[in-house]
Amino acid sequence: QVHLQESGPGLVKPSETLSLTCAVSGDSIRTYYWSWIRQSPGRGLEWIGYIFYSGTTNYNPSLKSRVTISIDTSKNQFSLKLTSVTAADTAVYYCARAVHSVDTDLTVYYHMGVWGKGTTVTVSS
Amino acid sequence: QSVLTQPPSASGTPGQRVTISCSGSSSNIGSNTVSWYQQLPGTAPKLLIYNDNQRPSGVPDRFSGSKSGTSASLAISGLQSEDAADFYCAAWDDSLRGYVFGTGTKVTVL
Repeated sequence: QVHLQESGPGLVKPSETLSLTCAVSGDSIRTYYWSWIRQSPGRGLEWIGYIFYSGTTNYNPSLKSRVTISIDTSKNQFSLKLTSVTAADTAVYYCARAVHSVDTDLTVYYHMGVWGKGTTVTVSS
Repeated sequence: QSVLTQPPSASGTPGQRVTISCSGSSSNIGSNTVSWYQQLPGTAPKLLIYNDNQRPSGVPDRFSGSKSGTSASLAISGLQSEDAADFYCAAWDDSLRGYVFGTGTKVTVL
């Protein structure tokens, strides 16, 4: 059974870098796409981006200038870095396993079938 | 601000059928597949429907998805108390070049 576990500091100071790791167990990280999603207090879900084991990434354009997602196949884990954080980055951060493909007619298939439990990150001095 | 619009709330009594709409555009729902996620209070979202109308293993068949043009719908038939949750639609957006979620619908079982 696939299990994803987020870890990282629960408190980050404004202007600093938020760093989280998602450990994957029960599946090889060399299959599927691996995503980060966040949910601000009382608000909806926001997709942050994904990475494939080859290193291919795709980021939410609204966060692209501040986000880096990386992968460590030897440790079967992937990571999120978000720079220059503000209070608006306070959220529950989830990692998830995604299925992603593009059909010959350019239809994009994307969904996230396995999620971690999430970790709360608060940005405050 | 989300590009996929859902009603903020929906409700029904046990056994009733509840439908949640998701309105998008030609760059997302009109071009790509739709997924639905259920988020129970205090938990991570769970995939309910993918590829417009497919259910993952373990999801009861009283949950069904459909799509027409630039809109999609999630139907819950035989509503149960444990279905009380937030539901989100989602799809890839070609213009934004990213995955977008709907605004979310809170389902209440009366």
